[in-house]
Amino acid sequence: KAGVTQTPRYLIKTRGQQVTLSCSPISGHRSVSWYQQTPGQGLQFLFEYFSETQRNKGNFPGRFSGRQFSNSRSEMNVSTLELGDSALYLCASSLAGGFRSPLHFGNGTRLTVT
Amino acid sequence: GIQVEQSPPDLILQEGANSTLRCNFSDSVNNLQWFHQNPWGQLINLFYIPSGTKQNGRLSATTVATERYSLLYISSSQTTDSGVYFCAVPDSNYQLIWGAGTKLIIKP
Repeated sequence: KAGVTQTPRYLIKTRGQQVTLSCSPISGHRSVSWYQQTPGQGLQFLFEYFSETQRNKGNFPGRFSGRQFSNSRSEMNVSTLELGDSALYLCASSLAGGFRSPLHFGNGTRLTVT
Repeated sequence: GIQVEQSPPDLILQEGANSTLRCNFSDSVNNLQWFHQNPWGQLINLFYIPSGTKQNGRLSATTVATERYSLLYISSSQTTDSGVYFCAVPDSNYQLIWGAGTKLIIKP
């Protein structure tokens, strides 16, 4: 069974630009959640999608948005990039929503904003 | 909200040693997960363990939900065990709350 796939692996953007990250979950998993990881802040929850609906959202500004498609693939968008958005963005999939089943992570997208 | 504390924050061991990592949580939880993040950033789910004990090779985990803690045991450490170990629990708002992690370095 293929794992969670995130693309791209690395990304370099300039302040003010926008970026879209993609995540394909494990086959059969309907929940996709996104996290931001920075050295100073650790793992911060962005949002969770289950069957195309956003079930939960972390404490991030509206510049961070996401969506989930009918095939459970998910995208995350960050608009008007700031230097502080430089981070490792991790996507995780699970069978059940609400973190009631094991989480499986992709390899992440490392975003650098210059 | 629920608080998750991990100890120790850092651990340096020689290859072959055993270790115990601890995760304390401040409120009752329905489940707990342990993860290992390797030096390249990859996060691997080690255990999904609401209560009781589970074993997977050299690793085992025990969660005592009534006393609000979980332990991760690593036996006969190998250099590939190096990295950061996180525990995470869901809160009442269905968000996953993470501990700050234990950074483990295994020296050859």
